Amino acid sequence: EAGVAQSPRYKIIEKRQSVAFWCNPISGHATLYWYQQILGQGPKLLIQFQNNGVVDDSQLPKDRFSAERLKGVDSTLKIQPAKLEDSAVYLCASSSFRGATNEKLFFGSGTQLSVL
Amino acid sequence: AQTVTQSQPEMSVQEAETVTLSCTYDTSESDYYLFWYKQPPSRQMILVIRQEAYKQQNATENRFSVNFQKAAKSFSLKISDSQLGDAAMYFCAYRSATGTASKLTFGTGTRLQVTL
Repeated sequence: EAGVAQSPRYKIIEKRQSVAFWCNPISGHATLYWYQQILGQGPKLLIQFQNNGVVDDSQLPKDRFSAERLKGVDSTLKIQPAKLEDSAVYLCASSSFRGATNEKLFFGSGTQLSVL
Repeated sequence: AQTVTQSQPEMSVQEAETVTLSCTYDTSESDYYLFWYKQPPSRQMILVIRQEAYKQQNATENRFSVNFQKAAKSFSLKISDSQLGDAAMYFCAYRSATGTASKLTFGTGTRLQVTL
């Protein structure tokens, strides 16, 4: 079974530039999550999709971050413009979510973003 | 809001020995799930063990076991017969068992070193 795919693995940009990350969840997984992990901290949820609808985006900085999940499969996370404090690892996760809250999450290997 | 605290930034254990990682959490809910995730240098979060709050019996998975103290809101991870491959960041996480937004709240992590 293929895992959660993310690209790119690394990205270096200058502040005020734009950047986009891509995630392909496990086939058939209805729920997709984007987490931000700043160095020395645990991951923090940015946004959760159920199919192509947003379930939770309460911690997404909407003035600069946006995310979409077209057709309920792949997802992209965009930052425009980037700030120094956006330097972090961006993790994507997916789950089958058959309605149970104990469903297992599968994580990708993340994109490490450095903003200079 | 729920919080998860890991007070040990780093721990070290000799190969074949036993180590315990600590985690405390704060919640007003009675039904929830607790997790330990392992994050190796590849950055992919890997589920180590899961505990349902309604179960009094402590979860075990091969060399990994937990000590779940619901009244004290404590959830420690014991790794027995430590192996070099156990070296990684370990994160404690909480998830509510109610509602449709199954967000994971993570602690700040404990870096485990395994020495010969």
